[in-house]
Amino acid sequence: EAQVTQNPRYLITVTGKKLTVTCSQNMNHEYMSWYRQDPGLGLRQIYYSMNVEVTDKGDVPEGYKVSRKEKRNFPLILESPSPNQTSLYFCASRATTLGELFFGEGSRLTVL
Amino acid sequence: GQSLEQPSEVTAVEGAIVQINCTYQTSGFYGLSWYQQHDGGAPTFLSYNALDGLEETGRFSSFLSRSDSYGYLLLQELQMKDSASYFCAVKGNDMRFGAGTRLTVKP
Repeated sequence: EAQVTQNPRYLITVTGKKLTVTCSQNMNHEYMSWYRQDPGLGLRQIYYSMNVEVTDKGDVPEGYKVSRKEKRNFPLILESPSPNQTSLYFCASRATTLGELFFGEGSRLTVL
Repeated sequence: GQSLEQPSEVTAVEGAIVQINCTYQTSGFYGLSWYQQHDGGAPTFLSYNALDGLEETGRFSSFLSRSDSYGYLLLQELQMKDSASYFCAVKGNDMRFGAGTRLTVKP
């Protein structure tokens, strides 16, 4: 089954404690991206990757890091989380030439 | 910069037709996509327009005018289950989303 898998689905953490949200896709997609969703603000892009070892900033990259060492994985790293990073996070992927983005189920992060 | 504008809320009755507009400004454009998101769920793909014109998929249609930087999603024969948020998204090298339109379908 074609899917994007992200973990954890839910996480409560404290300010400053480093965390990683993993994302993996099994569709051999070149393009992967991370979004955060906050009420009334839609989906805002954090980082995206066009292929292995190629990453670019989206609209809200501050406080986040990513890496793309393998085609299937695109982890999101919060080195020192802060309460303003409390949000719902989505990982997504697509084939470069197509317009359909496949989303993971989301990771709800709370930073206290 | 890039921006997408869509109405924040739309209300319609069951069986009706509703159109959700999207205007965009972008430096690179390959196409316009539409996504549906129910509360608590992930966005799911509805349609993609790379060329001008109308694309029809069942009760849903999507239109694009590249010269006007404008598109819309048309939902026909509305059902209660269509109550959700709808997002337009511009495909450039990346994929940017509008703030979403919350559609409420009333009996």
